[in-house]
Amino acid sequence: AQKVTQAQTEISVVEKEDVTLDCVYETRDTTYYLFWYKQPPSGELVFLIRRNSFDEQNEISGRYSWNFQKSTSSFNFTITASQVVDSAVYFCAQLSGSARQLTFGSGTQLTVLP
Amino acid sequence: AAGVIQSPRHLIKEKRETATLKCYPIPRHDTVYWYQQGPGQDPQFLISFYEKMQSDKGSIPDRFSAQQFSDYHSELNMSSLELGDSALYFCASSFLMGSREQYFGPGTRLTVT
Repeated sequence: AQKVTQAQTEISVVEKEDVTLDCVYETRDTTYYLFWYKQPPSGELVFLIRRNSFDEQNEISGRYSWNFQKSTSSFNFTITASQVVDSAVYFCAQLSGSARQLTFGSGTQLTVLP
Repeated sequence: AAGVIQSPRHLIKEKRETATLKCYPIPRHDTVYWYQQGPGQDPQFLISFYEKMQSDKGSIPDRFSAQQFSDYHSELNMSSLELGDSALYFCASSFLMGSREQYFGPGTRLTVT
């Protein structure tokens, strides 16, 4: 069975601080995909990144970076120099094996204060 | 670029009424998914369609049904609505044999009173 754990329910930082959102996943499959989605107050789900289980390279996109470590089953997301517009709920999600539906974590509410 | 379209964006219904939500996937995407997100919850998978055939079923109540049409749009039909059905309903689409990213529509916010 798949499971995604986001232990941080809420995080509050001051603008320009760096912040890391944690994600731990569980799966018995050797092939799986991990995702991060952003849900701003307007409600839509915005795709941020996908990683395959066979590609442990970390990725950086502007102020966003992702650290994928199979040894600890973690896929953490760091925002550098946070901005107020980063305030949102961030979901980590998993797609394993032949499953076609995403399993989401419970989400982390990030609040960036001016 | 074209995105997933959902209609209506907001819907208010009374208990025991029916509701129909529509989803238009990204062109050339062959798979459509429906998710339900209750207040303060993470999205939960309901059902999916691949090439117009139901492919997977999640925690979808028997009162709900869905289908995908020849033009690939999908409809989620909800009957005998209950207060607990109030939620944000997302449709997502993907190209199954591709990179497998699921792109979500803006959601339909259903309120049952």
